[in-house]
Amino acid sequence: QVQLQESGPGLVKPSGTLSLTCAVSGGSISSTNWWTWVRQPPGKGLEWIGEIYHSGNTNYNPSLKSRVTISVDKSKNQFSLKLSSVTAADTAVYYCARRPVANWFDPWGQGTLVTVSS
Amino acid sequence: QSALTQPASVSGSPGQSITISCTGTSSDVGSYNLVSWYQQHPGKAPKLMIYEVSKRPSGVSNRFSGSKSGNTASLTISGLQAEDEADYYCCSYAGFSTWVFGTGTKVTVL
Repeated sequence: QVQLQESGPGLVKPSGTLSLTCAVSGGSISSTNWWTWVRQPPGKGLEWIGEIYHSGNTNYNPSLKSRVTISVDKSKNQFSLKLSSVTAADTAVYYCARRPVANWFDPWGQGTLVTVSS
Repeated sequence: QSALTQPASVSGSPGQSITISCTGTSSDVGSYNLVSWYQQHPGKAPKLMIYEVSKRPSGVSNRFSGSKSGNTASLTISGLQAEDEADYYCCSYAGFSTWVFGTGTKVTVL
């Protein structure tokens, strides 16, 4: 079964760029799925960030679109998130998830906490 | 794109039934049968409980059911158990290849 694992720095300075990677195991990233990023600020709700298909097609949350880049590395079976010009408001647990073309999110990675602080 | 509206908290006694509402607009919940529900225990990743309004993934208890009327979707948990105490989030397709989550509901088993 497909499993996802996030990785990346847990601390990012304000105005810097947050960079995370999600490794996919148990299945191919080139399968018919969209690969998604979702975040959750401490004590708050879930927010959809965006997604990518193995072809490179992307969809982004309009509220974050100007700062977000999602990319895919088929050779490593992983996809990545970059969020630029971060502020304290970007502090959150970041999850990666699979979205089958059939429109739900499953499975999810365990999540990784990223704190924006100097 | 605004978050879907859920009650902050819902509670019930063991064995009772509770219903969590998820209110959107005619641009999201009202236009598509693409509502899903997720259960999240503290410190854990969300878990898919319902998809496409009312379908249950394999392995999810039949005590969980979903429905939709107009711009509001609902999740009902029947025969409430202690293990059901968690946060629950709805999610809907919002058009233009975007997705929106609900504000989340904390379920407490009394």
